[in-house]
Amino acid sequence: QKEVEQNSGPLSVPEGAIASLNCTYSDRGSQSFFWYRQYSGKSPELIMSIYSNGDKEDGRFTAQLNKASQYVSLLIRDSQPSDSATYLCAVTIDAGGTSYGKLTFGQGTILTVHP
Amino acid sequence: GAGVSQSPSNKVTEKGKDVELRCDPISGHTALYWYRQSLGQGLEFLIYFQGNSAPDKSGLPSDRFSAERTGGSVSTLTIQRTQQEDSAVYLCASSLAGGSAGPGLTYEQYFGPGTRLTVT
Repeated sequence: QKEVEQNSGPLSVPEGAIASLNCTYSDRGSQSFFWYRQYSGKSPELIMSIYSNGDKEDGRFTAQLNKASQYVSLLIRDSQPSDSATYLCAVTIDAGGTSYGKLTFGQGTILTVHP
Repeated sequence: GAGVSQSPSNKVTEKGKDVELRCDPISGHTALYWYRQSLGQGLEFLIYFQGNSAPDKSGLPSDRFSAERTGGSVSTLTIQRTQQEDSAVYLCASSLAGGSAGPGLTYEQYFGPGTRLTVT
């Protein structure tokens, strides 16, 4: 089982809709959770971080974390064509007191927003 | 302010040659990470620096790979005797510090533009 799993997609949504991206992780010691956006040919760009159970909102983005079920999700409201990209879920896993922030990534979900 | 910078942006080299990739982190960031992104493997961790020390080199694929960091700033990733399987995008990230910023909090990492390495 992969440590961090994402549906590779592609996920296609119409402009203005809500895009829902999901990520599950296997290690219950996972501490911190991040969503990165990566445009084709570019490097990952941090868009959200979440550390505790519940929702965290930032503009059109909402991250949701459920540690009991070991999943984290990203909702994008009012999706725009410019949101079309690969979305990477990343987690840090507690290395027994020596956690230093090493990121373990999922394979990414390709999102396409069509006009 | 200035972000993470990397050079060169592209590097084409012949199999068996050595290459050096450079990373300049965000000013004031003490933690620096190298990752590699390839089609088959996704994005994978290579090495972590805190200051000039590398507490974790566990992601380096072989002893042909090495990295150093000087002055708590610039880092160089060196690949000796390159092989075709080394072809990938090498990404550098930095964060304010390594480890946690508090219970359940981790310093956020910001990526540079990457170096695309092609071994022919």
